[in-house]
Amino acid sequence: DAGITQSPRHKVTETGTPVTLRCHQTENHRYMYWYRQDPGHGLRLIHYSYGVKDTDKGEVSDGYSVSRSKTEDFLLTLESATSSQTSVYFCAISESTSGGGYGYTFGSGTRLTVV
Amino acid sequence: AQSVTQPDIHITVSEGASLELRCNYSYGATPYLFWYVQSPGQGLQLLLKYFSGDTLVQGIKGFEAEFKRSQSSFNLRKPSVHWSDAAEYFCAVASRTGGGNKLTFGTGTQLKVEL
Repeated sequence: DAGITQSPRHKVTETGTPVTLRCHQTENHRYMYWYRQDPGHGLRLIHYSYGVKDTDKGEVSDGYSVSRSKTEDFLLTLESATSSQTSVYFCAISESTSGGGYGYTFGSGTRLTVV
Repeated sequence: AQSVTQPDIHITVSEGASLELRCNYSYGATPYLFWYVQSPGQGLQLLLKYFSGDTLVQGIKGFEAEFKRSQSSFNLRKPSVHWSDAAEYFCAVASRTGGGNKLTFGTGTQLKVEL
């Protein structure tokens, strides 16, 4: 979707190096999410944000941190990349208010390979 | 905690045949329910969603799904499959109690269409 972009689209990095993935939205949505997708696991939530500087952990947050200094940007950082973090990472946005259920709009994904 | 089960990892159907993809959820109350489709190398696209009201919901591309509270199911159906429907399909559930409207995904069903 045009309203959400992820960068980079592909990245190869070495074990132990820090990596930052960027998600940018033009929809002014409150909620932003980072998921990872792995075969046999579907999509699993890493972290999410419910506003500027407001973030919380998902089910697979170990080894990841996030930051949201502006409404439009949500950054995912792997502090020290490991091979187990090789995955496809998806960002999503939602216009939902508390208790709502509008569903998500997904970015096109970032394929990260840690060697 | 909410969860989603998609019991079929792979399904193969002939073009023109009918399709039903199964989804069972676990949640303490009536959840928000979604079906997404993912083509190879792409992000996820929303097919349809259930919030309340009529338990049979219509989506894009000729898909429909029926919410059955008694069976905790939200199965996806299509009367006549087209070759372009080959993709991976994900069922998802979201809480109605706010907290960021986090989606929990099933592990997906890979659909193959035989010509």
